[in-house]
Amino acid sequence: AQSVTQLGSHVSVSEGALVLLRCNYSSSVPPYLFWYVQYPNQGLQLLLKYTTGATLVKGINGFEAEFKKSETSFHLTKPSAHMSDAAEYFCAVANYGQNFVFGPGTRLSVLP
Amino acid sequence: DTAVSQTPKYLVTQMGNDKSIKCEQNLGHDTMYWYKQDSKKFLKIMFSYNNKELIINETVPNRFSPKSPDKAHLNLHINSLELGDSAVYFCASSQSMGEKLFFGSGTQLSVL
Repeated sequence: AQSVTQLGSHVSVSEGALVLLRCNYSSSVPPYLFWYVQYPNQGLQLLLKYTTGATLVKGINGFEAEFKKSETSFHLTKPSAHMSDAAEYFCAVANYGQNFVFGPGTRLSVLP
Repeated sequence: DTAVSQTPKYLVTQMGNDKSIKCEQNLGHDTMYWYKQDSKKFLKIMFSYNNKELIINETVPNRFSPKSPDKAHLNLHINSLELGDSAVYFCASSQSMGEKLFFGSGTQLSVL
């Protein structure tokens, strides 16, 4: 069975500071990994995904994530936080032919 | 054009009523889903529907039933609504299971 954990249900950073949101997964087969963002009162939008190939994945809005198989991690980073980045972030694991498993989410607050 | 659209956005109703939420996708995807997001933002898969094959999350009460008139639509019917059904319900679609998900904007259901 697949599972996802996200360390920290709430992360606060100052505007301009590094954003680091942690995600660890378990999967019995090579996983597909995703980060989604949810702004208030909206649906989830895809930030980035890893399926195969390069382990450093770049997404929208300056975010990137690195797949580290040895650590079973897929942490999300952004060098400089912007106020508009405040949202809920979800890590998810999937495999072809299987449903997504979402993590519990991390709420990112950006302080002026 | 909205890729995945669901209506209504807000639904307020009394306990015991029957209600429906509609979902349509114009992406030509083969698979559609219903997710439930609780007050703690946790996302739970309810149903996935792929080429007329319905996969049900066994924890979903049988008061909930998806109906798909065609590949582009997956509606959610809920009978005998209960207080605990209050949540945000998201429709989503993907080309196939395990591929990236496209979400609707959600339906906030409040059962009084």
